Amino acid sequence: SYVLTQPPSVSAAPGKTARITCGGDKVGTKSVHWYQQKAGQAPVLIIFYTSDRPSGIPERFSGSKSGNTATLTISRVEAGDEADYYCQVWDGTSDQALFGGGTQMTVL
Amino acid sequence: QVTLRESGPALVKSTETLTLTCTFSGFALDTSGMCVSWVRQPPGKALEWLALIDWEDDKYYSTTLKTRLTISKDSSKDQVILTMTNMDPVDTATYYCARTTVAHFYAMDVWGQGTTVTVSS
Repeated sequence: SYVLTQPPSVSAAPGKTARITCGGDKVGTKSVHWYQQKAGQAPVLIIFYTSDRPSGIPERFSGSKSGNTATLTISRVEAGDEADYYCQVWDGTSDQALFGGGTQMTVL
Repeated sequence: QVTLRESGPALVKSTETLTLTCTFSGFALDTSGMCVSWVRQPPGKALEWLALIDWEDDKYYSTTLKTRLTISKDSSKDQVILTMTNMDPVDTATYYCARTTVAHFYAMDVWGQGTTVTVSS
């Protein structure tokens, strides 16, 4: 197994762009999923298969990957985007799901 | 519409066994590619995956907790059950179940609202 590393916090002003990274030795060979969790609520899937959006998720949310780092990009940040964000992969070697440590996003 | 709902005791004592039930609707767990995961979140901390059961009744567990966990399903009731033995105060957390699909590389696309479990010493 391995660890997925996320920055503990990021911040962005309304209308700006926020980027949250998720790094790990084998991220490059895995599909990365991203979840948004607002205070007191259950997580919501916002990106799957590294860059796909479930229906109902705004286009402002996008995902990408370069090497061993996946990135969640939030464009035109809104106050309602303030939340914790988690990345997740399935490790087929150990047959288990792994979550990153989470990133708290603050809208300035 | 896919929904999941967790149920179980809100309070357990140290060394006791916790049994949680996930009751779901809107999908069939015996459909190829369908799975249900359990995930927990201690207060103020990150998400932690616990276990997954798939449509073929194959079961997968967190490496760190596998000796304490058992996941099972009752397809006739559309339920997935998780038991965790030898509970400890550090197991105090909100426990979630989530539909998980192989087609989406094990993304958890629909979550229950969670159930909070407190372990007393």
